[in-house]
Amino acid sequence: EAQVTQNPRYLITVTGKKLTVTCSQNMNHEYMSWYRQDPGLGLRQIYYSMNVEVTDKGDVPEGYKVSRKEKRNFPLILESPSPNQTSLYFCASSFRLRDGNQPQHFGDGTRLSIL
Amino acid sequence: KNQVEQSPQSLIILEGKNCTLQCNYTVSPFSNLRWYKQDTGRGPVSLTIMTFSENTKSNGRYTATLDADTKQSSLHITASQLSDSASYICVVTFLTSGTYKYIFGTGTRLKVLA
Repeated sequence: EAQVTQNPRYLITVTGKKLTVTCSQNMNHEYMSWYRQDPGLGLRQIYYSMNVEVTDKGDVPEGYKVSRKEKRNFPLILESPSPNQTSLYFCASSFRLRDGNQPQHFGDGTRLSIL
Repeated sequence: KNQVEQSPQSLIILEGKNCTLQCNYTVSPFSNLRWYKQDTGRGPVSLTIMTFSENTKSNGRYTATLDADTKQSSLHITASQLSDSASYICVVTFLTSGTYKYIFGTGTRLKVLA
C-alpha cells in the first residue's frame, strides 16, 4: 500500500531534550516536506527536499533540522525543543514539482507536546 | 501578501443536504488550486485540483469551481453523508524563484448529522 509513515504518532517530552520524528514513503517520490498545523492557522511548511541531499527552508524553519540521505526517508530533528514547538506535524511527499500539479501525500501526523 | 481565506470556519448540516464551502485567495502568480479533505486524526487527502483554465471539476459528490478573475473557488458537496464530516482545506500553489510553493487555508470544519 502506497503510504507516508510517521513515527511516533504521539510524543510528550520536556524542553531541551533532543528528539527526532521519522518519515518514510514507499512511492519513490522525489519531493518531501514537513509541515506544522496549529489551531487557527493553515499548514505551514518547515522544510522541504527536492531530492536526496537537497533540502531547503520553508516558512517556519527556526528550531528544526532535516536531512535527506535516502530517497524514502526525511527525518525532522528538534535539537532543543521548546514549548512553542508543541504542535501537530505532518510529513508529505510527491513526485517532482515539474508543473506544481502533483498532489502531496500526507502522513497521519505526529502530535508533539513540549513541556 | 499571499493569503488563502476559507469560509465558513465551521458548518453543521443534516445528512442528505447539500453545502458549499468557499475559498478566496490573493496568491500570485497562480499555478493551481487544490482541495483536500482531512478526517480527524488523519493527514489531508487530495480531492480535486484546478488550474487557471478550468472552471469546474467533479470528483463523485464533490464539485469544485474556480473563478480566476475574482480569485474565488468553491467546493460543493451534494447529498452529504456522515463520512463527509471532516475539515476541508483549500491550497493554492504558486511559482516563486523557480520553485513551487503552497499556501494553505485554515480549513472549514464540516459536521454532518444523522
